Amino acid sequence: GDSVTQKEGLVTLTEGLPVMLNCTYQTIYSNAFLFWYVHYLNESPRLLLKSSTDNKRTEHQGFHATLHKSSSSFHLQKSSAQLSDSALYYCALANYGNEKITFGAGTKLTIKP
Amino acid sequence: ETAVFQTPNYHVTQVGNEVSFNCKQTLGHDTMYWYKQDSKKLLKIMFSYNNKQLIVNETVPRRFSPQSSDKAHLNLRIKSVEPEDSAVYLCASSWTGGNTEVFFGKGTRLTVV
Repeated sequence: GDSVTQKEGLVTLTEGLPVMLNCTYQTIYSNAFLFWYVHYLNESPRLLLKSSTDNKRTEHQGFHATLHKSSSSFHLQKSSAQLSDSALYYCALANYGNEKITFGAGTKLTIKP
Repeated sequence: ETAVFQTPNYHVTQVGNEVSFNCKQTLGHDTMYWYKQDSKKLLKIMFSYNNKQLIVNETVPRRFSPQSSDKAHLNLRIKSVEPEDSAVYLCASSWTGGNTEVFFGKGTRLTVV
């Protein structure tokens, strides 16, 4: 079955430094959709960005990610971390026509002054 | 703007009791879900309900059961709670097709004492 791996459970960074959260996936299907969801404390998890196009950069709210099917990766990046970026980030995988979305274990990002 | 509403926000109960959580979505989506977010922040799907078709995660204990009156409502009942049921339960909705955005509620935090 499908799987999503987020190697880092906890990432702590100083404000202003670049952010990179890793996400790799496994699926037997070629039409994979990858997502990043962000869960701020006391709020609902919500979609941050998504992609299904190989080697195309997608951006939203200062974050960006590029789906690389050759390496089965969809890493989340931001050039300069802000205190308000502190949250839980989930990488997720779905396939067209399949009702099931598979979430990674999540990465808790903490940004310190 | 919240479009998936869950009640209650919190619930504390004793082992063996029955609990019920409510969820309503105002997005007109045809699929609803219940997820469990455990203490390690792992997000695991429990049920998905689409056009009266229930898809159950086979790892979910039988004491859990979803209840739906229409496509906008999906409640969750736990017959006899156990300590390991302590978690945040997230309701969500989307259109059919795993490649669409999933909208989450704020969750119900259950504590079993």
